[in-house]
Amino acid sequence: GESVGLHLPTLSVQEGDNSIINCAYSNSASDYFIWYKQESGKGPQFIIDIRSNMDKRQGQRVTVLLNKTVKHLSLQIAATQPGDSAVYFCAENIGGGSYIPTFGRGTSLIVHP
Amino acid sequence: DGGITQSPKYLFRKEGQNVTLSCEQNLNHDAMYWYRQDPGQGLRLIYYSQIVNDFQKGDIAEGYSVSREKKESFPLTVTSAQKNPTAFYLCASSRTVNTEAFFGQGTRLTVV
Repeated sequence: GESVGLHLPTLSVQEGDNSIINCAYSNSASDYFIWYKQESGKGPQFIIDIRSNMDKRQGQRVTVLLNKTVKHLSLQIAATQPGDSAVYFCAENIGGGSYIPTFGRGTSLIVHP
Repeated sequence: DGGITQSPKYLFRKEGQNVTLSCEQNLNHDAMYWYRQDPGQGLRLIYYSQIVNDFQKGDIAEGYSVSREKKESFPLTVTSAQKNPTAFYLCASSRTVNTEAFFGQGTRLTVV
C-alpha cells in the first residue's frame, strides 16, 4: 500500500504487506529529515533519520528514501505488523543554524490482521 | 533512565484560569520545544528555546507563555487569552542542531 501524504492521510494495509508512506517537504534548504511514529495518546517516537547528503538509509524493517530534486521523502516498512499501526510524521530541520523540527501533517497507518 | 517527563498526563481547568504544564529533561539537551496537537492534526510549534534564558515564539504563540530558567526545565503556561486551549500538548528536546528531538508523553488539557 502507498500513501501520498497530505492528499491521503490514512493508509490501510494487510499484515505482512509492505507499506510506503510519503511526505513532501517544503524547504529546499532542509538538510536533515526524521520519521516519527506516534501511537494513540502518546508522544512521537524516533524511527529513522536521513541527512541531505544521502538518498537512502535502512534500519530494521524500515527504509527511508530522499529525493531532493522533487523534495520528497518516503518511509518503507517491510512486512507490516499490527504493532505498526500508528500515525507517522516526517519532520525536516532547516539548515543554517535553525534547531526547529518542522512537522508534516502525518499519515495514519492501519494494519489489518 | 534519561528522558523527558511531562506532567500531569491529564489536566482539567475552568475557562478563564491560567494553567502551567511541566516539562523536565535529564538528557542535558540545549534545545527544548512545545507543540500543540489537535485531533487528527499534525504538531504545531508554540515556543522553543535554544539555550537557557532564551526562547522564541513559534507559529501559534498567542495566549501562551514560557520560561527557561534552568537547562532541564521548560514550563508552558496556557493563559486565559488562549481562545481554544483544549488540546494535547507535547514537549520535546534535542541535543543540538540537526539531531533528533525526543518527546515526552504529552499532557492532555481540557478546559471546561
